[in-house]
Amino acid sequence: EDQVTQSPEALRLQEGESSSLNCSYTVSGLRGLFWYRQDPGKGPEFLFTLYSAGEEKEKERLKATLTKKESFLHITAPKPEDSATYLCAVPNSGGYQKVTFGTGTKLQVIP
Amino acid sequence: DAGITQSPRHKVTETGTPVTLRCHQTENHRYMYWYRQDPGHGLRLIHYSYGVKDTDKGEVSDGYSVSRSKTEDFLLTLESATSSQTSVYFCAIRFLVAGTVEGGEAFFGQGTRLTVV
Repeated sequence: EDQVTQSPEALRLQEGESSSLNCSYTVSGLRGLFWYRQDPGKGPEFLFTLYSAGEEKEKERLKATLTKKESFLHITAPKPEDSATYLCAVPNSGGYQKVTFGTGTKLQVIP
Repeated sequence: DAGITQSPRHKVTETGTPVTLRCHQTENHRYMYWYRQDPGHGLRLIHYSYGVKDTDKGEVSDGYSVSRSKTEDFLLTLESATSSQTSVYFCAIRFLVAGTVEGGEAFFGQGTRLTVV
């Protein structure tokens, strides 16, 4: 069974305090891993797609990395506006049509 | 927002009544999805569509049906609403991976908050 596990469930950081969020997955034949950001009361917003182990992508203070079993979302010198829930997702083993989401990490950045 | 509109945004309904949620897209995407999001469960797939009149079930499809008679509209119907269907419902479209017919990243609507009393 395809599974996606995110940790921690919640993370509280001081502004400027860098940290990482983890997404571990079990799926046969990884065909991509997606990161999303979700603000309260809104739909998830796409951030990154990673396709192969060793790949990295960056956007402002966020950098996503991928290994064969997990992905990390590194947040460097976060600001309060980075506060959100971060979701990761992987296409199911059977193909791209279905995607399994993790339950997310709720990040709070305190000024 | 990739041209996705969900309606209504909020709805309160009574147990046992049918409810239809609408998702409308303006960009002619092939893949459309309905998810529900509940605390502790994350996003769970209800149904998806890969073309007009082409739909398939997701992991939590019991009690739900869908229809797609036009490319731009994907309807989700709760046949007889129950309190366990109180949730936030998201519609999404997926872009195709460049050069393939496979789905890539998804773009979501703003959600519909449904309360069944």
